[in-house]
Amino acid sequence: KAGVTQTPRYLIKTRGQQVTLSCSPISGHRSVSWYQQTPGQGLQFLFEYFSETQRNKGNFPGRFSGRQFSNSRSEMNVSTLELGDSALYLCASSLLTRKETQYFGPGTRLLVL
Amino acid sequence: QQQVKQSPQSLIVQKGGISIINCAYENTAFDYFPWYQQFPGKGPALLIAIRPDVSEKKEGRFTISFNKSAKQFSLHIMDSQPGDSATYFCAASPGNTGKLIFGQGTTLQVKP
Repeated sequence: KAGVTQTPRYLIKTRGQQVTLSCSPISGHRSVSWYQQTPGQGLQFLFEYFSETQRNKGNFPGRFSGRQFSNSRSEMNVSTLELGDSALYLCASSLLTRKETQYFGPGTRLLVL
Repeated sequence: QQQVKQSPQSLIVQKGGISIINCAYENTAFDYFPWYQQFPGKGPALLIAIRPDVSEKKEGRFTISFNKSAKQFSLHIMDSQPGDSATYFCAASPGNTGKLIFGQGTTLQVKP
């Protein structure tokens, strides 16, 4: 079974731009969560989606948003990029009935210049 | 209350030795405690997980010990190998949600 896939793997943007990252969960997984990983703050929860609805949200500004499609694929968007948004963005998927058991993708490395 | 505190930040162990990483939490609503292993350039991979109704879980060389009254849990890696060199994260989840609260991570180096 294929794992979680994330595209693109690497991105370079400049301040003020916006970016959209994509995540395809493991087949059969309906829940998708997003995390930001930085050397200083570690792994921080961004949001969780299942059945196309956001169920949980972390402590991030409104510039960070996401959505989930009917096929469980998910996208996250960051608008008005800041230098501090440079990070590895990780997507994780899980079964609807075992949402806490999450399997991570390889991440998208975002560099904001 | 949402924090998970992990120690040590880094750890050096000789091949064949035991690696021990500790975590502590405060929120009693947490009921799922996984450990993840991450290699450079990769996403975290689920290693082993435990729920608070058991005090210990073993999978191969990896063991989780859980102390509910102390709100602490730890990962033991027996017979540590150079291939175990990676960053390890403990985490906690409040119920059947896709929200994991992670510790700060421990960088493990196993010397040959």
